[in-house]
Amino acid sequence: AQSVTQLGSHVSVSEGALVLLRCNYSSSVPPYLFWYVQYPNQGLQLLLKYTSAATLVKGINGFEAEFKKSETSFHLTKPSAHMSDAAEYFCAVTGNTGNQFYFGTGTSLTVIP
Amino acid sequence: KAGVTQTPRYLIKTRGQQVTLSCSPISGHRSVSWYQQTPGQGLQFLFEYFSETQRNKGNFPGRFSGRQFSNSRSEMNVSTLELGDSALYLCASSLRGAEIALGYTFGSGTRLTVV
Repeated sequence: AQSVTQLGSHVSVSEGALVLLRCNYSSSVPPYLFWYVQYPNQGLQLLLKYTSAATLVKGINGFEAEFKKSETSFHLTKPSAHMSDAAEYFCAVTGNTGNQFYFGTGTSLTVIP
Repeated sequence: KAGVTQTPRYLIKTRGQQVTLSCSPISGHRSVSWYQQTPGQGLQFLFEYFSETQRNKGNFPGRFSGRQFSNSRSEMNVSTLELGDSALYLCASSLRGAEIALGYTFGSGTRLTVV
Protein backbone atom coordinates (compact mmCIF):
# COMPACT_ATOMS: atom_id res chain seq x y z
CA ALA A 1 0.00 0.00 0.00
CA GLN A 2 1.08 3.54 -0.64
CA SER A 3 0.88 6.45 1.77
CA VAL A 4 2.61 9.69 2.61
CA THR A 5 3.09 11.45 5.92
CA GLN A 6 3.59 15.17 6.11
CA LEU A 7 5.20 16.28 9.33
CA GLY A 8 3.84 19.58 10.58
CA SER A 9 0.39 20.71 9.61
CA HIS A 10 1.43 24.34 9.99
CA VAL A 11 4.80 25.89 9.20
CA SER A 12 5.68 29.57 9.61
CA VAL A 13 8.77 31.18 8.14
CA SER A 14 9.98 34.73 7.78
CA GLU A 15 10.12 36.27 4.36
CA GLY A 16 13.53 35.46 2.89
CA ALA A 17 14.10 32.44 5.13
CA LEU A 18 14.49 28.83 4.07
CA VAL A 19 11.31 26.86 3.48
CA LEU A 20 11.40 23.17 4.44
CA LEU A 21 8.28 21.06 4.21
CA ARG A 22 8.65 17.41 5.15
CA CYS A 23 7.20 14.37 3.45
CA ASN A 24 7.89 10.72 4.12
CA TYR A 25 6.42 8.01 1.95
CA SER A 26 5.57 4.38 2.23
CA SER A 27 5.44 2.34 -0.90
CA SER A 28 5.78 -1.32 -1.80
CA VAL A 29 6.89 -0.42 -5.29
CA PRO A 30 9.24 2.26 -6.63
CA PRO A 31 7.13 5.35 -6.19
CA TYR A 32 6.28 8.38 -8.21
CA LEU A 33 6.18 11.33 -5.83
CA PHE A 34 4.64 14.74 -6.26
CA TRP A 35 4.27 18.06 -4.53
CA TYR A 36 1.18 20.14 -5.17
CA VAL A 37 0.27 23.62 -3.95
CA GLN A 38 -3.24 24.87 -3.28
CA TYR A 39 -4.18 28.52 -2.90
CA PRO A 40 -7.46 29.46 -1.18
CA ASN A 41 -10.51 28.42 -3.15
CA GLN A 42 -8.39 26.96 -5.90
CA GLY A 43 -7.52 23.53 -7.20
CA LEU A 44 -4.13 21.87 -6.98
CA GLN A 45 -1.16 23.07 -8.95
CA LEU A 46 1.77 20.77 -9.62
CA LEU A 47 5.03 22.08 -8.17
CA LEU A 48 7.29 19.19 -9.08
CA LYS A 49 7.43 15.43 -9.48
CA TYR A 50 9.88 12.59 -9.05
CA THR A 51 9.62 9.81 -11.61
CA SER A 52 12.80 7.79 -11.00
CA ALA A 53 15.11 10.03 -12.97
CA ALA A 54 17.31 12.54 -11.11
CA THR A 55 16.88 12.40 -7.35
CA LEU A 56 17.04 16.19 -7.03
CA VAL A 57 13.99 17.60 -8.71
CA LYS A 58 13.52 21.25 -9.53
CA GLY A 59 10.06 22.67 -9.83
CA ILE A 60 8.29 25.92 -10.40
CA ASN A 61 8.62 29.09 -8.33
CA GLY A 62 12.09 28.14 -7.06
CA PHE A 63 11.02 24.99 -5.24
CA GLU A 64 12.97 21.77 -5.30
CA ALA A 65 12.80 18.38 -3.61
CA GLU A 66 15.23 15.55 -3.09
CA PHE A 67 14.24 11.90 -3.24
CA LYS A 68 16.08 9.92 -0.56
CA LYS A 69 15.29 6.25 -0.78
CA SER A 70 17.27 5.36 2.36
CA GLU A 71 15.17 7.80 4.38
CA THR A 72 11.94 7.27 2.37
CA SER A 73 11.70 11.04 2.20
CA PHE A 74 10.83 13.64 -0.38
CA HIS A 75 11.15 16.97 1.43
CA LEU A 76 10.29 20.22 -0.33
CA THR A 77 12.62 23.20 -0.01
CA LYS A 78 12.97 26.76 -1.20
CA PRO A 79 16.01 28.87 -0.30
CA SER A 80 14.15 32.12 0.24
CA ALA A 81 10.46 32.40 1.11
CA HIS A 82 8.27 34.96 -0.59
CA MET A 83 4.94 36.27 0.61
CA SER A 84 3.28 34.68 -2.40
CA ASP A 85 4.39 31.22 -1.20
CA ALA A 86 1.77 31.27 1.55
CA ALA A 87 -0.53 28.36 0.68
CA GLU A 88 -1.34 24.73 1.46
CA TYR A 89 1.16 22.17 0.23
CA PHE A 90 0.40 18.52 -0.43
CA CYS A 91 2.76 15.63 -0.95
CA ALA A 92 1.39 12.71 -2.96
CA VAL A 93 2.43 9.24 -4.06
CA THR A 94 0.93 7.08 -6.76
CA GLY A 95 -0.92 3.87 -6.18
CA ASN A 96 -0.18 0.40 -7.52
CA THR A 97 -2.47 0.96 -10.45
CA GLY A 98 -0.56 4.06 -11.34
CA ASN A 99 -3.64 6.16 -11.83
CA GLN A 100 -4.51 7.19 -8.31
CA PHE A 101 -2.87 9.66 -5.96
CA TYR A 102 -2.53 9.12 -2.23
CA PHE A 103 -2.20 12.54 -0.65
CA GLY A 104 -0.72 13.63 2.62
CA THR A 105 -2.77 15.70 5.02
CA GLY A 106 -1.16 18.91 3.86
CA THR A 107 1.05 21.58 5.36
CA SER A 108 -0.14 25.15 5.62
CA LEU A 109 2.73 27.55 5.01
CA THR A 110 2.58 31.03 6.50
CA VAL A 111 5.15 33.62 5.46
CA ILE A 112 5.76 36.38 7.99
CA PRO A 113 6.81 39.76 6.60
CA LYS B 1 -5.29 25.93 -24.13
CA ALA B 2 -8.17 25.82 -21.71
CA GLY B 3 -7.63 24.04 -18.42
CA VAL B 4 -9.88 21.65 -16.56
CA THR B 5 -13.30 23.25 -16.12
CA GLN B 6 -15.58 22.31 -13.28
CA THR B 7 -19.15 23.51 -12.96
CA PRO B 8 -20.72 24.82 -10.92
CA ARG B 9 -18.11 26.43 -8.66
CA TYR B 10 -20.41 26.60 -5.67
CA LEU B 11 -23.48 24.62 -4.78
CA ILE B 12 -25.79 24.50 -1.78
CA LYS B 13 -28.07 21.51 -1.38
CA THR B 14 -30.39 20.20 1.28
CA ARG B 15 -29.81 16.91 3.05
CA GLY B 16 -31.52 14.07 1.19
CA GLN B 17 -31.28 15.73 -2.22
CA GLN B 18 -29.05 14.59 -5.03
CA VAL B 19 -26.45 16.57 -6.94
CA THR B 20 -24.57 16.32 -10.20
CA LEU B 21 -21.18 17.90 -10.75
CA SER B 22 -19.54 18.35 -14.12
CA CYS B 23 -15.95 18.26 -15.29
CA SER B 24 -14.61 19.12 -18.73
CA PRO B 25 -11.03 17.92 -19.15
CA ILE B 26 -8.28 19.53 -21.15
CA SER B 27 -8.83 18.98 -24.84
CA GLY B 28 -7.34 15.63 -25.84
CA HIS B 29 -7.20 14.27 -22.32
CA ARG B 30 -9.03 10.98 -21.95
CA SER B 31 -8.60 10.23 -18.26
CA VAL B 32 -10.65 11.99 -15.61
CA SER B 33 -10.30 11.45 -11.88
CA TRP B 34 -12.37 12.80 -9.01
CA TYR B 35 -11.24 13.62 -5.49
CA GLN B 36 -13.09 14.76 -2.39
CA GLN B 37 -11.37 17.25 -0.11
CA THR B 38 -12.57 17.84 3.44
CA PRO B 39 -10.84 19.36 6.47
CA GLY B 40 -11.19 16.12 8.40
CA GLN B 41 -10.31 13.50 5.79
CA GLY B 42 -8.11 15.50 3.46
CA LEU B 43 -7.95 14.53 -0.20
CA GLN B 44 -9.52 11.20 -1.00
CA PHE B 45 -9.79 9.43 -4.34
CA LEU B 46 -13.31 8.83 -5.59
CA PHE B 47 -12.92 7.25 -9.03
CA GLU B 48 -11.14 7.42 -12.35
CA TYR B 49 -12.57 7.13 -15.84
CA PHE B 50 -10.81 6.44 -19.09
CA SER B 51 -12.56 6.17 -22.44
CA GLU B 52 -15.98 6.04 -20.77
CA THR B 53 -14.97 3.17 -18.47
CA GLN B 54 -14.45 3.33 -14.74
CA ARG B 55 -10.99 1.92 -14.16
CA ASN B 56 -10.53 2.52 -10.48
CA LYS B 57 -12.75 3.34 -7.54
CA GLY B 58 -12.02 4.60 -4.08
CA ASN B 59 -13.62 3.58 -0.83
CA PHE B 60 -16.85 5.55 -0.99
CA PRO B 61 -20.45 4.36 -0.60
CA GLY B 62 -22.60 3.59 -3.60
CA ARG B 63 -24.31 6.98 -3.25
CA PHE B 64 -21.30 8.33 -5.11
CA SER B 65 -21.30 7.51 -8.79
CA GLY B 66 -19.85 8.87 -11.97
CA ARG B 67 -19.73 8.53 -15.67
CA GLN B 68 -17.75 9.72 -18.63
CA PHE B 69 -19.07 10.68 -22.02
CA SER B 70 -17.59 10.06 -25.45
CA ASN B 71 -16.13 13.58 -25.50
CA SER B 72 -14.31 12.75 -22.21
CA ARG B 73 -16.45 15.10 -20.15
CA SER B 74 -17.31 13.54 -16.84
CA GLU B 75 -20.04 13.90 -14.27
CA MET B 76 -20.26 12.69 -10.74
CA ASN B 77 -23.50 12.22 -8.87
CA VAL B 78 -24.16 12.04 -5.17
CA SER B 79 -27.58 10.80 -4.12
CA THR B 80 -29.28 11.16 -0.77
CA LEU B 81 -26.92 13.87 0.37
CA GLU B 82 -25.61 13.86 3.92
CA LEU B 83 -24.10 16.73 5.88
CA GLY B 84 -20.76 14.94 5.71
CA ASP B 85 -20.75 15.21 1.93
CA SER B 86 -19.98 18.89 2.24
CA ALA B 87 -16.60 19.21 0.59
CA LEU B 88 -14.56 20.56 -2.26
CA TYR B 89 -14.80 18.12 -5.15
CA LEU B 90 -11.80 18.22 -7.46
CA CYS B 91 -11.53 16.83 -10.92
CA ALA B 92 -8.22 16.05 -12.62
CA SER B 93 -7.48 15.12 -16.18
CA SER B 94 -4.61 13.39 -17.88
CA LEU B 95 -3.72 12.39 -21.40
CA ARG B 96 -3.89 8.67 -20.78
CA GLY B 97 -3.99 8.23 -17.03
CA ALA B 98 -2.04 5.01 -16.72
CA GLU B 99 1.24 6.83 -17.14
CA ILE B 100 0.76 9.03 -14.12
CA ALA B 101 4.19 10.51 -14.62
CA LEU B 102 2.68 12.47 -17.46
CA GLY B 103 0.93 14.43 -14.82
CA TYR B 104 -2.56 15.34 -13.88
CA THR B 105 -4.06 18.80 -14.18
CA PHE B 106 -6.61 19.72 -11.57
CA GLY B 107 -9.62 21.96 -11.93
CA SER B 108 -10.56 24.63 -9.40
CA GLY B 109 -13.18 22.40 -7.86
CA THR B 110 -16.85 22.55 -6.93
CA ARG B 111 -17.58 23.61 -3.37
CA LEU B 112 -20.63 21.63 -2.21
CA THR B 113 -22.38 22.63 0.97
CA VAL B 114 -25.10 20.38 2.35
CA VAL B 115 -27.49 22.01 4.81
